[in-house]
Amino acid sequence: DSGVTQTPKHLITATGQRVTLRCSPRSGDLSVYWYQQSLDQGLQFLIQYYNGEERAKGNILERFSAQQFPDLHSELNLSSLELGDSALYFCASGRLKTGLNEQFFGPGTRLTVL
Amino acid sequence: ELKVEQNPLFLSMQEGKNYTIYCNYSTTSDRLYWYRQDPGKSLESLFVLLSNGAVKQEGRLMASLDTKARLSTLHITAAVHDLSATYFCAVAIKETSGSRLTFGEGTQLTVNP
Repeated sequence: DSGVTQTPKHLITATGQRVTLRCSPRSGDLSVYWYQQSLDQGLQFLIQYYNGEERAKGNILERFSAQQFPDLHSELNLSSLELGDSALYFCASGRLKTGLNEQFFGPGTRLTVL
Repeated sequence: ELKVEQNPLFLSMQEGKNYTIYCNYSTTSDRLYWYRQDPGKSLESLFVLLSNGAVKQEGRLMASLDTKARLSTLHITAAVHDLSATYFCAVAIKETSGSRLTFGEGTQLTVNP
């Protein structure tokens, strides 16, 4: 158990809908990262927040958005869902100030778009 | 754009044998990570390699880093069935504001009795 929690574990929805994925980082971690894992794209970085501020953006679609709240939990919002958005979404947390800058991954949310 | 390539992508080996997974990356990096993923599960951190020549070992797994060649290896010694999983290498390039990971495609390891 990495200490990172994600809810829900599974999400089944229809095309065109909007969903919100939630992540709580490890205690003491200020940085939250979102990754998408799919069969065709592999593991891809989406976005990073540090202490409430967006710090880095990867291959995140305009239909997707995220935020980090004052209590450091983060939410990833996916809208106008398409079949191709079906994937495993991971949140990771870490502490930028340590040399290792290790990222610890949550259990993931499996999104299925029908 | 940073590219990370692993090979092989699929590896089927017998228990007791040795093998090496290779991870090549395209630009200078200050950190390389190895993760393990069981089917449908999360990523478990195995090793963090920080400098040229770094070598780390845990049980039957040993990871090394050659920053000049932009190459990391994950060596498996005397494989056992419990090592069956997908192994990912990931490279971090420290940016002023964070440190995203770029992952390789993963190596799916199957250890047969």
